[in-house]
Amino acid sequence: GAVVSQHPSRVICKSGTSVKIECRSLDFQATTMFWYRQFPKQSLMLMATSNEGSKATYEQGVEKDKFLINHASLTLSTLTVTSAHPEDSSFYICSAKSPSDSGYTFGSGTRLTVV
Amino acid sequence: DAKTTQPPSMDCAEGRAANLPCNHSTISGNEYVYWYRQIHSQGPQYIIHGLKNNETNEMASLIITEDRKSSTLILPHATLRDTAVYYCIVRVRVTGGGNKLTFGTGTQLKVEL
Repeated sequence: GAVVSQHPSRVICKSGTSVKIECRSLDFQATTMFWYRQFPKQSLMLMATSNEGSKATYEQGVEKDKFLINHASLTLSTLTVTSAHPEDSSFYICSAKSPSDSGYTFGSGTRLTVV
Repeated sequence: DAKTTQPPSMDCAEGRAANLPCNHSTISGNEYVYWYRQIHSQGPQYIIHGLKNNETNEMASLIITEDRKSSTLILPHATLRDTAVYYCIVRVRVTGGGNKLTFGTGTQLKVEL
C-alpha cells in the first residue's frame, strides 16, 4: 500500500533556531501534500497544502514566512519551522493523496519540542 | 471550517459492534465522507470513505443516510486495539481545484473487556 514517511520522528531544538521536517511518498508520486499541526488533546489542524513545483497554499492564520514549505520533487515535501519558539512545540503530520483507493495517506508525525 | 459533528466519546465492549455516528448536514452533493482513526501519538489511519452508497471493506462499514446529512461507521467486532480517536471528515473542494481534508474534533472510542 501507499506509504508516507516522515523524518525525523522527534526533534528537540533551541529557541530561535530553525528545524526542517521531511515528508516522502515512498512508493508513489504526490503532486500535492498536506501539512497538519496537532497540539495535545486537540484535533489536527491543516496548516498548508504543498504543491509540487509551485507555491504552497496556506490556511488562514498560518504564517507563511515562519512555516516554509518546499515541494521540489514529486516524492518530497519539506516544512521548515523558522525561528522556532516554545509555542511552536507540537506534533506535525504530513499527508498525501494516494493513487490507490485508500484515500489520503498520513505520515507517522514529527514531535517538535522547542526549549 | 470543519463540517462534521461527532460525540466526544463512546464506550464499547470487546467483541461487540461499535457504531460511531457523524452529522454532516451542510455537505454538498459532490463531497465525500472520509473516516480516519488516530491512536495516540501516531499519524491518522485511513478506514473508509464514501459518497452516497454504503461501503464496506475489511476494516469497517460506512452507512450514509439517503439525504447524506449523516453517516455511521460500524466496526463489526471491536477489539481493544480499536481504541482510538475516530474522525469523520468531509472532503471539500478548494479554490483552483483540488481537495482537502479538514478534521473535526472526533470521537474517542474506548473498547473495554
